[in-house]
This record gives sequence, structure tokens and C-alpha cells, in this order.
Amino acid sequence: DGGITQSPKYLFRKEGQNVTLSCEQNLNHDAMYWYRQDPGQGLRLIYYSQIVNDFQKGDIAEGYSVSREKKESFPLTVTSAQKNPTAFYLCASSIAPLDRDGYTFGSGTRLTVV
Amino acid sequence: SQELEQSPQSLIVQEGKNLTINCTSSKTLYGLYWYKQKYGEGLIFLMMLQKGGEEKSHEKITAKLDEKKQQSSLHITASQPSHAGIYLCGADTMNSGGYQKVTFGIGTKLQVIP
Repeated sequence: DGGITQSPKYLFRKEGQNVTLSCEQNLNHDAMYWYRQDPGQGLRLIYYSQIVNDFQKGDIAEGYSVSREKKESFPLTVTSAQKNPTAFYLCASSIAPLDRDGYTFGSGTRLTVV
Repeated sequence: SQELEQSPQSLIVQEGKNLTINCTSSKTLYGLYWYKQKYGEGLIFLMMLQKGGEEKSHEKITAKLDEKKQQSSLHITASQPSHAGIYLCGADTMNSGGYQKVTFGIGTKLQVIP
């Protein structure tokens, strides 16, 4: 079955460390997105990519980096520069940027800084 | 920038009761999405509305976009425990660079008491 897979589901990181969250899709979607979800703040866009080898900063890109070397993969690195990285991270994909069928979301990665 | 306000922020209803969730935009909506999220999981796409006055249904959930395209409502008829979760609305937006993306509201947390 086609879908979007995020791993790991839970991740613990020590302060000062970089960590990479994986996002893989086999839906042949061109567009991929990373959101961060915090209580009381809803989903905030970190980075998005509309095509391979191209990506754009979202609303809260500081302290994060991404790559889009393959259509299927859009990993997110949370760097030590991110002041408050503890959050629930969601990856999504869509056929096109504004798709009437909506985004397909992964099941999320919960990152905790210890 | 596009801002979406959802109301109420949380809702507790008795099983079998009807309920309505609202999503209000500060700008004209060109595309409005409704998603459902179970706690700690990804979002599930429910439906998308584009035209003023448009109404769509998915099982016992009906969403409508008003004629002025600045407000959408989500109505659940005869609520069941399976309807519990967080309902989020999202709006098509375009940034200054011409890139299109979806901006989300904070969400409405729904609890259904058996």
C-alpha cells in the first residue's frame, strides 16, 4: 500500500546534538512538507519542497535544515541552534502544492530533548 | 498573512448529539481543507471546499463554505465516540515568492462521552 512513513516514532536528544528525522513516501508525490505541532499553537510549517532538489523555508525554519535529493525522501535535521526542539513533528506530501485531495500525513515523530 | 481562527477550541458532547465547529479567516478563502487528528498521530484529510456556498459530506460529517468565502463550518450529526479527536481547518496561501502552501488553524479538540 502507498503511504508516507516517518521514523522513528519517538526520539530523545541531548542538548547540543543534531538529530535527523526521516520521512519517506511511495505515493509518487512531488510536494513534501515538514510541520511542527505544539500544544495551543497548531501546525507550523518548517520547510517545504515542491520538487526534487528544491525546497523553501516555511514560517519557522530557523534551527532546522532539509534536503530533497530524491523524490521519495525529505529528511529534516534539527540542529543544536534550534532553541526549543521538543515537539511533535509531522511530515506530509501531496501530488501538487494545492491538491484538492489534500495532504497525506505521516504518523509523526515525537522529539524530546533531555 | 493568512490567519485562521477556530471555535470552539474544545468541545465535550454527549454521544448522539449534533455539534458544529467553525473556522474563520482574516482573508478570502480560495481553498479550505478540513482534517481530523487522533492524539499523537498524523492528520487524516476529510474534505476540501473551494466555491462560495459549497457543501460536502463525508459519512455523518458535513462541511460548508459561506458565500463570502471567509468562514467554514463543520457539522457532525449524531456524534459517536469514533468522532473524537482534533479537527483542523487549513487554507491555501501563497507566500511572497509565489510558492503555494496550506496554513492551518490551531484545531478544535472534540470529546464524545458515551
